[in-house]
Amino acid sequence: ETGVTQSPTHLIKTRGQQVTLRCSSQSGHNTVSWYQQALGQGPQFIFQYYREEENGRGNFPPRFSGLQFPNYSSELNVNALELDDSALYLCASTVPGGTEAFFGQGTRLTVV
Amino acid sequence: EDQVTQSPEALRLQEGESSSLNCSYTVSGLRGLFWYRQDPGKGPEFLFTLYSAGEEKEKERLKATLTKKESFLHITAPKPEDSATYLCAVQAWEGGSEKLVFGKGTKLTVNP
Repeated sequence: ETGVTQSPTHLIKTRGQQVTLRCSSQSGHNTVSWYQQALGQGPQFIFQYYREEENGRGNFPPRFSGLQFPNYSSELNVNALELDDSALYLCASTVPGGTEAFFGQGTRLTVV
Repeated sequence: EDQVTQSPEALRLQEGESSSLNCSYTVSGLRGLFWYRQDPGKGPEFLFTLYSAGEEKEKERLKATLTKKESFLHITAPKPEDSATYLCAVQAWEGGSEKLVFGKGTKLTVNP
């Protein structure tokens, strides 16, 4: 049990729609990162939030955006969904001063 | 460019048959190397962090080792419940934040 909870577990959306994925991490974990994992691939870094501000971003277009809230919850928003956005989306949190990232169970997004 | 390569892609073992998984990496300044276990449709589960060449860590039937260019995950007398995908990741610095760069994983199947 990592204390990182993601919702929903599964989601089906139509191409062109928008989606919001949610993550709740443990109290005090002030750094949250989001990853995209396509089938058969390792997770790829999307972006990271620290104290409610984005402080790092991977090679993803601006239609991928996020928010972090004071209660340590976080959102990943994806606009104008494309078929290639179908993947497992993972949220990970890190304790202050720590290096280990603890992952949630993920949200499986299918775009049709 | 930071890169992680894992081999083999898939490995089938008989229960009790020991083996090793390989993770080779190139990173500008290793800050940490991580091993995760991932079950199908789930988020990665943290196993080990290694920081410097020569370091070793153990947990039950698993032992992780680190050299300057690669890491090994040794599995001694595996059981069917050890079947999973094992992911290796390095901690890299990019765009003002630390991120994990993952390999594609090794899918381990242990037959009874």
